[in-house]
Amino acid sequence: ELKVEQNPLFLSMQEGKNYTIYCNYSTTSDRLYWYRQDPGKSLESLFVLLSNGAVKQEGRLMASLDTKARLSTLHITAAVHDLSATYFCAVDKAEGAQKLVFGQGTRLTINP
Amino acid sequence: DADVTQTPRNRITKTGKRIMLECSQTKGHDRMYWYRQDPGLGLQLIYYSFDVKDINKGEISDGYSVSRQAQAKFSLSLESAIPNQTALYFCAVGTSGSTNEQYFGPGTRLTVT
Repeated sequence: ELKVEQNPLFLSMQEGKNYTIYCNYSTTSDRLYWYRQDPGKSLESLFVLLSNGAVKQEGRLMASLDTKARLSTLHITAAVHDLSATYFCAVDKAEGAQKLVFGQGTRLTINP
Repeated sequence: DADVTQTPRNRITKTGKRIMLECSQTKGHDRMYWYRQDPGLGLQLIYYSFDVKDINKGEISDGYSVSRQAQAKFSLSLESAIPNQTALYFCAVGTSGSTNEQYFGPGTRLTVT
């Protein structure tokens, strides 16, 4: 059974600081997705990582994938308040059905 | 953005009532999904469908049923609602291209009293 674990689950940080969110998963998969969710809102797709060593960057966010370690990271550089949200990683079960298994989410709060 | 809409956006119902949540999309994607999100948790897959004739159970299908009335419409029903079905429900549509990405609707907040 595929399990996806994120850590930390809660993160409070100051503007201007750097930090990393980790996403570990238990079985082989070549597709990993990062989503952002604002309170009471839907999920917004941030990154799609499709192969070992993939790195994607958008603004202050950078995501990477190491399929051998079954680990993805979401790195935040020089955080700003607008990045406060809950971030989810999701892994494709790779059974041909495009079935995503989600992590618990990391609630990120960035304080001025 | 796959233009996914959900109705209703909020619903309060009583235990034992039947309720239907509707999802429609305008981009012609074949794959549609229903997820449930409980407070402080990730999303769990309820049902998914690849086309009108293809319906599959997800991780937590007990107490739910679905109908794919057309390629663009996928409905989720609670035949007899119970309080622990209080949650945020998301419909998603999936691409069958190289990314297999999923796009989510705005969500339906359901409260069962």
